[in-house]
Amino acid sequence: DAGVTQSPTHLIKTRGQQVTLRCSPKSGHDTVSWYQQALGQGPQFIFQYYEEEERQRGNFPDRFSGHQFPNYSSELNVNALLLGDSALYLCASRRYATLARETQYFGPGTRLLVL
Amino acid sequence: QKEVEQNSGPLSVPEGAIASLNCTYSDRGSQSFFWYRQYSGKSPELIMFIYSNGDKEDGRFTAQLNKASQYVSLLIRDSQPSDSATYLCAVNPSTDSWGKLQFGAGTQVVVTP
Repeated sequence: DAGVTQSPTHLIKTRGQQVTLRCSPKSGHDTVSWYQQALGQGPQFIFQYYEEEERQRGNFPDRFSGHQFPNYSSELNVNALLLGDSALYLCASRRYATLARETQYFGPGTRLLVL
Repeated sequence: QKEVEQNSGPLSVPEGAIASLNCTYSDRGSQSFFWYRQYSGKSPELIMFIYSNGDKEDGRFTAQLNKASQYVSLLIRDSQPSDSATYLCAVNPSTDSWGKLQFGAGTQVVVTP
């Protein structure tokens, strides 16, 4: 049973560039959330996708956008990168039909460094 | 006031002793509470979840929830060097029905042989 996968594992970009991160949810899961974890901090919720629509969003600027595909995989796009965007980006998946309180499964993350 | 607060640590615990981690949250209506373990450079791994007041035990781990005090804790019994990690407390807020989690900054635990 495949867990949550993310690609790439590491990425180095320069300020002003754009980046796309990818996530494939755990088998049987249809809801994907993205989190940003800065060094020494807990993960911060970016947004969540279900049925190819953004369902809720955290306190992140419009530079952060996403997409969900019919196969439930998801992308996170960040435009006009800032140094402060350097972080571990985590994808988490769950099955919508379960209770909202049911646990989510995290992928291994993508480490983004902006120079 | 942060929504979820934890002591940052590090919490130094002798091998074989009990590690006690605390977490407070601000949203009184929160219903679901989670403890994640995160090794350096890795993603969070779920240890336990708790929904009801009281204690919940799973192996060497015990989660305790007191909704009246807006307090959740994690006890690690017989601590092992492999328990050295950052422990994240997470809360599903009352206004959410999609599984959004609010995390604390984490408590670093160091188990010394």
